[in-house]
Amino acid sequence: DGGITQSPKYLFRKEGQNVTLSCEQNLNHDAMYWYRQDPGQGLRLIYYSQIVNDFQKGDIAEGYSVSREKKESFPLTVTSAQKNPTAFYLCASSPRTQFDTEAFFGQGTRLTVV
Amino acid sequence: GQNIDQPTEMTATEGAIVQINCTYQTSGFNGLFWYQQHAGEAPTFLSYNVLDGLEEKGRFSSFLSRSKGYSYLLLKELQMKDSASYLCAVRVPSGANNLFFGTGTRLTVIP
Repeated sequence: DGGITQSPKYLFRKEGQNVTLSCEQNLNHDAMYWYRQDPGQGLRLIYYSQIVNDFQKGDIAEGYSVSREKKESFPLTVTSAQKNPTAFYLCASSPRTQFDTEAFFGQGTRLTVV
Repeated sequence: GQNIDQPTEMTATEGAIVQINCTYQTSGFNGLFWYQQHAGEAPTFLSYNVLDGLEEKGRFSSFLSRSKGYSYLLLKELQMKDSASYLCAVRVPSGANNLFFGTGTRLTVIP
């Protein structure tokens, strides 16, 4: 079955530590995205990637980093520079050039700083 | 920047009809999506509009007016399981076909 997988589902981090969230897709999509969702707020774009070895900052990239070494994988690192990292993180993918195709989402990772 | 507005919360009765509105001002337009999201879960796709008019899909319909920057999602014969957040998202012709989301409308269906 094709889909997009995020892991882990729940993650706890101590202040000052970096942590990496995994996102893998087997949909053969070129474009991948990371969103952050806070209570009562919509999804805000952190980073996106159009193609392997290319990625761009979204609206709230500060304190985050990504890599895109393989088409299937787009991991997100939440660094210690992110001042308020507790949130629900969603990864998505879509075909890069098909406007009428929806973005597919992973199940999300809930990150809590303790 | 991109601006997408939706009501924060709505309540409706089981069996009734509810309309969730979305207005947008974006730098370009390549279509509008509606997603449903249950608490703590991933958003799931409901509908896509790129031309003006109404798209019907079972109990759910979505309308678009590009000249007014306006869309709505219509849910008929409401069921308790329809209690969820409904997200309006606009695809803009920049970046990687990026989707920009509104804050979402939390719908509560009551008996």
